[in-house]
Amino acid sequence: EDQVTQSPEALRLQEGESSSLNCSYTVSGLRGLFWYRQDPGKGPEFLFTLYSAGEEKEKERLKATLTKKESFLHITAPKPEDSATYLCAVRMNRDDKIIFGKGTRLHILP
Amino acid sequence: DTAVSQTPKYLVTQMGNDKSIKCEQNLGHDTMYWYKQDSKKFLKIMFSYNNKELIINETVPNRFSPKSPDKAHLNLHINSLELGDSAVYFCASSPSGVLVETQYFGPGTRLLVL
Repeated sequence: EDQVTQSPEALRLQEGESSSLNCSYTVSGLRGLFWYRQDPGKGPEFLFTLYSAGEEKEKERLKATLTKKESFLHITAPKPEDSATYLCAVRMNRDDKIIFGKGTRLHILP
Repeated sequence: DTAVSQTPKYLVTQMGNDKSIKCEQNLGHDTMYWYKQDSKKFLKIMFSYNNKELIINETVPNRFSPKSPDKAHLNLHINSLELGDSAVYFCASSPSGVLVETQYFGPGTRLLVL
């Protein structure tokens, strides 16, 4: 069964404390993996797309990496404004479907 | 200018009623989507339209019917609303192309069925 699993479900960090969020997937034929940020009461906001294993992308304090089985979203020296839910999604070759993970709720304490 | 807009933002209604949610995008994208986000914040795709043609139709009760009058609009009509339909419904759009496209989401419509 095609699946996307994110861990941890929730993460509390002190400001400046770097960490990583995990997205593991079991799908047949990955077309692309997406990371989104969702603030309370708002729609998801696109962060990154990764297409193949070994690929890395960076934006400010965020860096996304991809292997054949999982993706990591690394957050370096986070600030309180990085607090949000981070969603991972996978698009499959087979039928073009999109599966989202349940997200990681990140809370950065000042 | 808002890229993907949805109306209404909030919708409170009684069981058994019929309601519609409208979505419009001004990005010139060819593909539009409807997602449902439940109380546990799990986001699940419902439908996808490409140039007014249905391309993804997940296992959704046939009380839900998407309608695309043109490629900038994708409306969602729900018949005989049930308590379990309470959720946040997001519309999204994406360009089509060879590379995997990213999706741009609307602000969501919060539906509460009483």
